[in-house]
Amino acid sequence: KAGVTQTPRYLIKTRGQQVTLSCSPISGHRSVSWYQQTPGQGLQFLFEYFSETQRNKGNFPGRFSGRQFSNSRSEMNVSTLELGDSALYLCASSTNRGDTQYFGPGTRLTVL
Amino acid sequence: QQQVKQSPQSLIVQKGGISIINCAYENTAFDYFPWYQQFPGKGPALLIAIRPDVSEKKEGRFTISFNKSAKQFSLHIMDSQPGDSATYFCAASTMEYGNKLVFGAGTILRVKS
Repeated sequence: KAGVTQTPRYLIKTRGQQVTLSCSPISGHRSVSWYQQTPGQGLQFLFEYFSETQRNKGNFPGRFSGRQFSNSRSEMNVSTLELGDSALYLCASSTNRGDTQYFGPGTRLTVL
Repeated sequence: QQQVKQSPQSLIVQKGGISIINCAYENTAFDYFPWYQQFPGKGPALLIAIRPDVSEKKEGRFTISFNKSAKQFSLHIMDSQPGDSATYFCAASTMEYGNKLVFGAGTILRVKS
């Protein structure tokens, strides 16, 4: 099976812009979670989607949003970018609640 | 109460030695404890995981020891190899919160040849 794929792999934006990141889960996986990884804060949970519904949400401002499509692919959007949003954004997929999560390679976002 | 505390922050081990990384948690609702390995430029990859009904799980050179009463768990890497040099993260989750993983801060392991 192909692994979790994320596009794009690298992205450079300027403050105030918005960005959309995409994640394609492993075939058959219906749960997609998003994490932000930074040197200072480590790995932090953003949100999880299952069958097109947000099932859980972390402590991030409303500028961070996501959605999931009927084929389980997911996108996350960050509006009004801030310098502090520079991070590696990771997507993980699993079959369901409590099952092993498999991570993609991440999208490296740099905000200038 | 959602935190997972991981130590040490970094570790240098000789080739063939044992690497030990420790984690502690507070939330007794946590019921799944995975360890992830991450190489530069890659996403975390699951190494081994344990649930609280067992005290130890071994897969090849990797062993998780779990102490439910102390709310601690640790990763032991036997016969450490230079290829094991990576960042290791412990994590915890509970079915209550779906698939949300709470991660430790990470341990940078360097195995000297």
